[in-house]
Amino acid sequence: EVQLVESGGGLVQPGGSLRLSCAASGFTFSSYWMSWVRQAPGKGLEWVANIKQDGSEKYYVDSVKGRFTISRDNAKNSLYLQMNSLRAEDTAVYYCARDVDTAMLDYWGQGTLVTVSS
Amino acid sequence: EIVLTQSPGTLSLSPGERATLSCRASQSVSSSYLAWYQQKPGQAPRLLIYGASSRATGIPDRFSGSGSGTDFTLTISRLEPEDFAVYYCQQYGSSFGPGTKVDIK
Repeated sequence: EVQLVESGGGLVQPGGSLRLSCAASGFTFSSYWMSWVRQAPGKGLEWVANIKQDGSEKYYVDSVKGRFTISRDNAKNSLYLQMNSLRAEDTAVYYCARDVDTAMLDYWGQGTLVTVSS
Repeated sequence: EIVLTQSPGTLSLSPGERATLSCRASQSVSSSYLAWYQQKPGQAPRLLIYGASSRATGIPDRFSGSGSGTDFTLTISRLEPEDFAVYYCQQYGSSFGPGTKVDIK
């Protein structure tokens, strides 16, 4: 059974940093692109970033470029999102998702809440 | 950047009725990268349709997708109680549409 479990969310002050993790199991992690998607409270979905199987390609939504870094550790079956210079508008539930050939997100974790507030 | 719009914003229907949801792109997109997701309150999104018309694993056949170019449609042939949710389209590589909420009339 495919499982994705996010962790690392919490309350952080504006300008602060946070690192999200996503532990994957039930599939060959190193064979898939992976994505992060976020959802602000009461709002719609926003794709944030994705990363190729070997980490050689990474893409970001414009609003996080230069502040967020996606990475992965295939030996640990883990995906990460390093978030720096956080802003109030980054407040959201962050989901990791398995990315099939950059065409669809077929499995999602349950999400981790990031709150940016003073 | 491709912008997706969805209509209507809210669809109020009764169980057993047919639901037709629209997703329109600001420019022509590849059908291969058009997907639909369902999200219920407090839950993660779930993939319903990929490649504009292929059902994801385990998705009932009352869900169908169609369309090409700039206009895509998600149809739920007969609404079941568990189908009342928010539906998002996505052109991979772009963000998601704003969503259509299907609620009980």
